Amino acid sequence: KNQVEQSPQSLIILEGKNCTLQCNYTVSPFSNLRWYKQDTGRGPVSLTIMTFSENTKSNGRYTATLDADTKQSSLHITASQLSDSASYICVVSRGHGGSQGNLIFGKGTKLSVKP
Amino acid sequence: GAGVSQSPSNKVTEKGKDVELRCDPISGHTALYWYRQSLGQGLEFLIYFQGNSAPDKSGLPSDRFSAERTGGSVSTLTIQRTQQEDSAVYLCASREAGNSYEQYFGPGTRLTVT
Repeated sequence: KNQVEQSPQSLIILEGKNCTLQCNYTVSPFSNLRWYKQDTGRGPVSLTIMTFSENTKSNGRYTATLDADTKQSSLHITASQLSDSASYICVVSRGHGGSQGNLIFGKGTKLSVKP
Repeated sequence: GAGVSQSPSNKVTEKGKDVELRCDPISGHTALYWYRQSLGQGLEFLIYFQGNSAPDKSGLPSDRFSAERTGGSVSTLTIQRTQQEDSAVYLCASREAGNSYEQYFGPGTRLTVT
């Protein structure tokens, strides 16, 4: 069964601290993996997209890693800011990327950054 | 430029009523998707439009759900005889031709069926 599991479900950290969010998937065939940030009341916004051959990609303070062998990905946030408070969604594309219903969404990790 | 817009932002309706949700994609984007996000759940694919091709309706949960896209631009998702389990955030996303990966999401419509 094609699934994307994220952990932890929720996380509270202090401003300035680092954190790492996890994503495990059982999606086949694999095309790409994306991390999205979803602020409350808004649509998801893409942070990173990684294909099979990429094992790390950065976007500012966000760094995503991908281990296609173990089917695991992580999103590391450095020097967290209050504006990082959001849900972070891991999405795996099965087969041809982006088309129709081949995107498998995780339930997200809700991050709260406290002052 | 303008992003994906959706209207209304919130909709409260009584059980059994019909509702229409609107999505204005980014100009020039040929692909358009509808998703549903229920509380505590991941996004659920509903329907996909690509240019003039027949839409992929494989994600629609029942025949009460339908969608159309007029002129390759604006899309309307219609839910007939709404049920309480239809309560969710309905998200629309669009993608430009030739870009297989990047989808741009709208802010969503929060539907509450009482």
